[in-house]
Amino acid sequence: EAGVTQFPSHSVIEKGQTVTLRCDPISGHDNLYWYRRVMGKEIKFLLHFVKESKQDESGMPNNRFLAERTGGTYSTLKVQPAELEDSGVYFCASSLIRNEQFFGPGTRLTVL
Amino acid sequence: GEDVEQSLFLSVREGDSSVINCTYTDSSSTYLYWYKQEPGAGLQLLTYIFSNMDMKQDQRLTVLLNKKDKHLSLRIADTQTGDSAIYFCAETGNTGFQKLVFGTGTRLLVSP
Repeated sequence: EAGVTQFPSHSVIEKGQTVTLRCDPISGHDNLYWYRRVMGKEIKFLLHFVKESKQDESGMPNNRFLAERTGGTYSTLKVQPAELEDSGVYFCASSLIRNEQFFGPGTRLTVL
Repeated sequence: GEDVEQSLFLSVREGDSSVINCTYTDSSSTYLYWYKQEPGAGLQLLTYIFSNMDMKQDQRLTVLLNKKDKHLSLRIADTQTGDSAIYFCAETGNTGFQKLVFGTGTRLLVSP
């Protein structure tokens, strides 16, 4: 069974540009989560989807971040416009039962 | 609020036991987790413990939970060079299972 996949693995953009990250969860997992790790600090929760609905978006830092999960399958996280402090590793996780979250390899975002 | 703390670095010799410690602040946490991140890889769920348990053993891994002191530890017996990685402690916090609250991670270096 394929695990959680994320694309791209690495993105380098300039401040003010737009970037879209994609996450494909494990097939059949209704729960999908986004997290990020900034500057070697702790991994912080961004938001949680149940199917296509946002269950909890309390961790989204500001309105420059937009997450979608149309059709309840893959999810995208768009950052527009990107700022320097958005640099970090963005992780996606999915779960079938909520106490076991399986993580993808992450997307390393570098904003110059 | 929710806070999880870990020491940043641990160095052991191959064959020794490793003990990675974690303290947390939220006494309402239902599950506590250990994740492993190898270089260039995502987060791998190693093990988790339900809050009404004191200990859980899984092959070379032993998790100890002291709820009174809000202290969680991960013991790796017979540590191997392949165990070198970053180990993250996480809790479910007070929002149920919806989001994980992570520590900063402990980098374990195993020398031959």
